[in-house]
Formats: sequence, structure tokens, C-alpha cells
Amino acid sequence: GQSLEQPSEVTAVEGAIVQINCTYQTSGFYGLSWYQQHDGGAPTFLSYNALDGLEETGRFSSFLSRSDSYGYLLLQELQMKDSASYFCAVRDTGFQKLVFGTGTRLLVSP
Amino acid sequence: NAGVTQTPKFRVLKTGQSMTLLCAQDMNHEYMYWYRQDPGMGLRLIHYSVGEGTTAKGEVPDGYNVSRLKKQNFLLGLESAAPSQTSVYFCASSYVGVDNQPQHFGDGTRLSIL
Repeated sequence: GQSLEQPSEVTAVEGAIVQINCTYQTSGFYGLSWYQQHDGGAPTFLSYNALDGLEETGRFSSFLSRSDSYGYLLLQELQMKDSASYFCAVRDTGFQKLVFGTGTRLLVSP
Repeated sequence: NAGVTQTPKFRVLKTGQSMTLLCAQDMNHEYMYWYRQDPGMGLRLIHYSVGEGTTAKGEVPDGYNVSRLKKQNFLLGLESAAPSQTSVYFCASSYVGVDNQPQHFGDGTRLSIL
């Protein structure tokens, strides 16, 4: 089966850089995804890594190390609107569904 | 383009009542999913479907049933609601399990069982 670990909460100030880590245990690996969810809202897709290295999309970047079963989401130039929960997810071995981590709540303060 | 639409958005039920949650997507996605989200527990998969007429159990299927009679619709049923089923329910859809195809979520249904 699959399991993922993320910190439950991270705090930072506006303008700072924050890293949200995710470690996973899987019987087969098919890529690591990240989703963002604001309070009261729906999860929305942020990024996907299938290969080792860094993927950059604007202020957000996502990193993967398959040998370490580890990835992170990097948020730069933090804004108040980045306060949200962030979930990492891996695809199951049947390739049909995702398994989500329990999420990291990011609190950005002025 | 509406994406994924869930109805209703809010509902309060009494223990033992039944109800159906409707999910509709207009993106011609093959795969559809029902999740529940409880505080501190992330998204847990209830049931999913990989095509019209097919359904499969997820991580927490007990007390729920589903049907996928049409490609664009995925229904979640509670036959006899219990307080433990108080939760926020999300529907999602995606293209056929291609590696980097994301799941698109509806806005959720907030369900309270008294």
C-alpha cells in the first residue's frame, strides 16, 4: 500500500520562503502531486513530479527525489492568499486513483 | 465551462434517513471519485469509477453506495445515515489515468447527520 507523511502545520511571514515536505512509502511509484485547498474550498491541482529534480511554476516549485522517497513544495514570496492546506499525493499501483497525505496547513502572517 | 458540479451544497439529515449526492462533470472524463474530508484526516476515497457502468470500493466504502449510469454523472448514496457520516464530501474527475492528469474537484457537499 501507500502512505504519505507531511507536517501538520507550518507558519511563515509575508515575503518569506517556505518548504513543505512529504515523505512517502509506496509499493510502486508513479509520480508525486501537490494540491492546494483554501478553507471552505475545493482542492486544486498545483504540480506533478514524475522524475527527480525541481519543477518551477511561478512562485511555486516542487521537488522530487525518488531514491529518498521524498518531495517538497517550495513557496516563494509568500502572500497572505497562500494561507491554505497543501496535500501531497501519489498514484496507486493500479494507476486508477490517488492516495493523499493528511495535509499541511500553512499560515502566513503579515 | 462548469467543470465538476455537486448538489446539494449543504444538507442536514436525521439519523436513519437516506439521501443521494449528485456529481456532474462536463469535461468528458472517464474517471470519477467520491471522497470525504474530516478535520485532520485529509481526503479519504469512498468509491470510484473508471467508466460508465463501473464502480469500485475505495478506502472507506462502508455505509455508502454509488452508481455511474451515465458517463457525466456519479451518484453517492447513504442508505441509513449515521452521525459518523457527518463530513464534507468532494467529488472529483480526471482523464483516463494518464500520469500527470490532475483530478478536478467540485466545491463539496457539507453534510450533517443529527
